[in-house]
Order: sequence, then C-alpha cells, then structure tokens
Amino acid sequence: LAKTTQPISMDSYEGQEVNITCSHNNIATNDYITWYQQFPSQGPRFIIQGYKTKVTNEVASLFIPADRKSSTLSLPRVSLSDTAVYYCLVGALIYNQGGKLIFGQGTELSVKP
Amino acid sequence: DAGVIQSPRHEVTEMGQEVTLRCKPISGHDYLFWYRQTMMRGLELLIYFNNNVPIDDSGMPEDRFSAKMPNASFSTLKIQPSEPRDSAVYFCASSTPNRVGGEQYFGPGTRLTVT
Repeated sequence: LAKTTQPISMDSYEGQEVNITCSHNNIATNDYITWYQQFPSQGPRFIIQGYKTKVTNEVASLFIPADRKSSTLSLPRVSLSDTAVYYCLVGALIYNQGGKLIFGQGTELSVKP
Repeated sequence: DAGVIQSPRHEVTEMGQEVTLRCKPISGHDYLFWYRQTMMRGLELLIYFNNNVPIDDSGMPEDRFSAKMPNASFSTLKIQPSEPRDSAVYFCASSTPNRVGGEQYFGPGTRLTVT
C-alpha cells in the first residue's frame, strides 16, 4: 500500500512559485497521483492529477519523475487566497475491481503579503 | 448541478445516541466515498461504493459504524452508539470512473460533536 509523506507546513510570499513535494516510495503500477486543496470549513477540492512526467492545467503543474516515487505540485505566482492545506492522494480504483486511495497528511501553505 | 449535498451540517449529540449522516452525490457519478477528518488522523477513507454496492469498508473503525446506499442518489452513514471519540468532520464525496477515483467532488461536510 502506497504510504505518502508531505511536509507539514510551508511559508511563501505573494508572487512566488511554490513547490510542494509528496513522497510515495512504494507506489503501485496502477496508481495515479492526485492533489487537492482544502480551505477551512470546506471539503477538499481537486487540483490536478497525473500518472507520469508533467501535467499542467490552468492553476497548477504536477511533476512526476520517471521512478514515480515522488511528485511535486507547483503553484505559480501564489496569492494570499492560495493559503490552504494541500493533500496528495495516491492510488486508483479500477472499475468493478476495487482499489485503494491513500491521502497524505497534508501540507499547510501560508502565503504572506 | 448543486454538487454533493450533505446533511446535517452540524450535529451535536450525547454519548450513546444514534447518529445518521446523509449524502446526495452528484447525479451520474458511480462512486461514493465517506471520509472522516480529525486533527490527529487527517483524512481517513471509511468506505466507498461503486454503483450502490459497498466495495471496501476496511476503513470503518468498528461495528458501531455502518453505511448504506439504497439508490444512486442517497447514502447514509450511521453511528450507533456514538462515543466522544467519534467527534470529527465527516465528508461525503462522489466521482466518475474516468479519473480512476482520483477526481472526487466533496460535500461541505458534517461536523459531529459527541458529548
């Protein structure tokens, strides 16, 4: 079972690029890596998902090295509103076959002016 | 779409009472998940359903917890009897198979306090 490890907290300033890394040393072949953002008193919100190499969308990029034992969420030019907890999720559900999904403990990102 | 709907948003009950949490997933989503979130243990997957059938309940802490999904638009998580250590935020989430279960849409959560 893929266990994930993330830094507990990170600090940044507005306008900077922030990179949050998640370690998942025993990731399985079928597993995907997904990142979520959570604000206080809300449910987590999907940010991005990938399997290997690089994925980019309108809010973030996800870098996954060839061995897939880690992944890095990159947030370009953060603002105060990006202050939140970020979770990595590793696993996959195969339709009609089951599977496992494991959330990391989360990284609390604090963006300062 | 209104998103995933959970009720109640807050529940305060006394130890020993039965608690029922409710969830309406997004229409068309095949998967439904129940999570518990606490400061100590983070986000824990309790159980998930695929097409209304429970697939993995290995995260259910003990027999006091039970979950049902009688149809595609409704699920319940029941705790009987409740204990103070059950105090947590309980989230329901749903997803389609397209993202191998990874792109989940979470509800606002139910904050449960057991005194």
